Amino acid sequence: GQSLEQPSEVTAVEGAIVQINCTYQTSGFYGLSWYQQHDGGAPTFLSYNALDGLEETGRFSSFLSRSDSYGYLLLQELQMKDSASYFCATPSGGSYIPTFGRGTSLIVHP
Amino acid sequence: DTGVSQDPRHKITKRGQNVTFRCDPISEHNRLYWYRQTLGQGPEFLTYFQNEAQLEKSRLLSDRFSAERPKGSFSTLEIQRTEQGDSAMYLCASSLDGHEQFFGPGTRLTVL
Repeated sequence: GQSLEQPSEVTAVEGAIVQINCTYQTSGFYGLSWYQQHDGGAPTFLSYNALDGLEETGRFSSFLSRSDSYGYLLLQELQMKDSASYFCATPSGGSYIPTFGRGTSLIVHP
Repeated sequence: DTGVSQDPRHKITKRGQNVTFRCDPISEHNRLYWYRQTLGQGPEFLTYFQNEAQLEKSRLLSDRFSAERPKGSFSTLEIQRTEQGDSAMYLCASSLDGHEQFFGPGTRLTVL
């Protein structure tokens, strides 16, 4: 089966950089995805890492180390609108059915 | 096409009633997923379609739950004899490759 661990809550101030970690245990690895979800909203895809290294998309970057079964999401130049829940997810098998972590609530303070 | 849509957005029902939800995916997406999400948790997989074929169902899915995607386009999720424990947000997502999933706004079910 699949399991993912991520911190339940992270707080930071506007303009800062924050890193949200995710460790996983899987029976087969097909990559790590990250989603953002605002309160009352639907999850929105942020990034996907299949290989080791850093993927950058604007203010958001995602990193993967398959040997350590570990990844993180890096958010730079934090804005108030970044306050949301962030989920890591990893799919299993050829159907790419993801298992989601329990989510990290990011609170950005002025 | 503006994205994944779901209907209704909210449903309040009494215990024991049947409910049906609809999902319209992004038109060119052949993969369609249903999830359930409760407060403080990540989305929990329920079932998966590739085109009209239902390829995967969660082992946790009660036989009161059934889903269809008759023409490989829209999908319906039916819950029979609802229980209070079924109260949750039901999310639908569609995808081309499985890795990048586009979620609909969800249907919030409250069972009284």
